Amino acid sequence: KNEVEQSPQNLTAQEGEFITINCSYSVGISALHWLQQHPGGGIVSLFMLSSGKKKHGRLIATINIQEKHSSLHITASHPRDSAVYICAVPGGGADGLTFGKGTHLIIQP
Amino acid sequence: DAGVIQSPRHEVTEMGQEVTLRCKPISGHNSLFWYRQTMMRGLELLIYFNNNVPIDDSGMPEDRFSAKMPNASFSTLKIQPSEPRDSAVYFCASSPQGQGYEQYFGPGTRLTVT
Repeated sequence: KNEVEQSPQNLTAQEGEFITINCSYSVGISALHWLQQHPGGGIVSLFMLSSGKKKHGRLIATINIQEKHSSLHITASHPRDSAVYICAVPGGGADGLTFGKGTHLIIQP
Repeated sequence: DAGVIQSPRHEVTEMGQEVTLRCKPISGHNSLFWYRQTMMRGLELLIYFNNNVPIDDSGMPEDRFSAKMPNASFSTLKIQPSEPRDSAVYFCASSPQGQGYEQYFGPGTRLTVT
């Protein structure tokens, strides 16, 4: 089973700060997912990546397959970015996801 | 597309009662996943289907839980009998086909068993 570790667990920052959330996993994978869960509870897929870097607006995700590590960056953070960010990977060769515990991000105005 | 549809959105029931959660995946998606989220354990995979066939049910907690997918547009997760420790948010997600594709999550069903 793939073990997924995220850090930090909690992060509070000021509006405008550059945010980095880290994710590491134990078993090689084909792709890694970054998800966002808002206070209302809904889960949205932000990125799925298997190599290199992807960018969407102020969000950037990177992955290093050799080091089994991924990072999610938020540039020019805004209070509406406040949410739980979850890293997930396919578990044990199957298609279902194994999730990290999530990073609870609060951006203060 | 309406996205993944789940019903009910909230369910409150008494211990021992049967609970049925429903999911309609996005049209054309071949894979459907049931996940459970609790404060203690976070998000966990319960079971997933590929082309209506259950592929991996190793996450199903015990025999009280069962899931079916009678056709490509409908799946159910049943708990019988329900227990207070089953209280959680149950998410259904679908994807075009397994690994290598994004998963699209439904809004979840918040289950409370008293």
